[in-house]
Amino acid sequence: TQLLEQSPQFLSIQEGENLTVYCNSSSVFSSLQWYRQEPGEGPVLLVTVVTGGEVKKLKRLTFQFGDARKDSSLHITAAQPGDTGLYLCAGAANQKVTFGTGTKLQVIP
Amino acid sequence: KAGVTQTPRYLIKTRGQQVTLSCSPISGHRSVSWYQQTPGQGLQFLFEYFSETQRNKGNFPGRFSGRQFSNSRSEMNVSTLELGDSALYLCASSFRDSTDTQYFGPGTRLTVL
Repeated sequence: TQLLEQSPQFLSIQEGENLTVYCNSSSVFSSLQWYRQEPGEGPVLLVTVVTGGEVKKLKRLTFQFGDARKDSSLHITAAQPGDTGLYLCAGAANQKVTFGTGTKLQVIP
Repeated sequence: KAGVTQTPRYLIKTRGQQVTLSCSPISGHRSVSWYQQTPGQGLQFLFEYFSETQRNKGNFPGRFSGRQFSNSRSEMNVSTLELGDSALYLCASSFRDSTDTQYFGPGTRLTVL
């Protein structure tokens, strides 16, 4: 069974602070996706990374895929209240997707 | 293009009853996956359907079943409901399979009393 552990589980920070969320596994994935889910809604895809060592930037969000394709990180610069939500990573391998345990982020104005 | 729709949005049932949830994927998407989301277990994969065939199945008991119709719409059924089945049930559609970009619906919140 492929497991994806995310850390931290919960994060409460002030607006303007930076943060990093980690997604770790002992398994290798062909691609890894990051989603954000807001209360009462389904997850929405933020980014997909497919190459080991790949870095993708989406405005204030920076995503990195580990060289060995077993882990990933999401860094948010100058967090805003609109970033509040549940962040989920999801690894794809052998035509299956495994979701991470989730990181609940609260950005306080 | 309309997004993934799920009905009903909220449902309250009692133990022992059964329930059917519905999902309409994005037009042109042939893969539909179902997930159960709970605070304790996170997002767990139930099953995936493609062209009316179940392609993958997660580790859930046989009380959980699903089907897909020729128009790609999908239903999932839970029989003999237990308190632990209370969860948000999410449906996601994608073009080829669940490793493609998945587009999620808003979910059905099921409460079992």
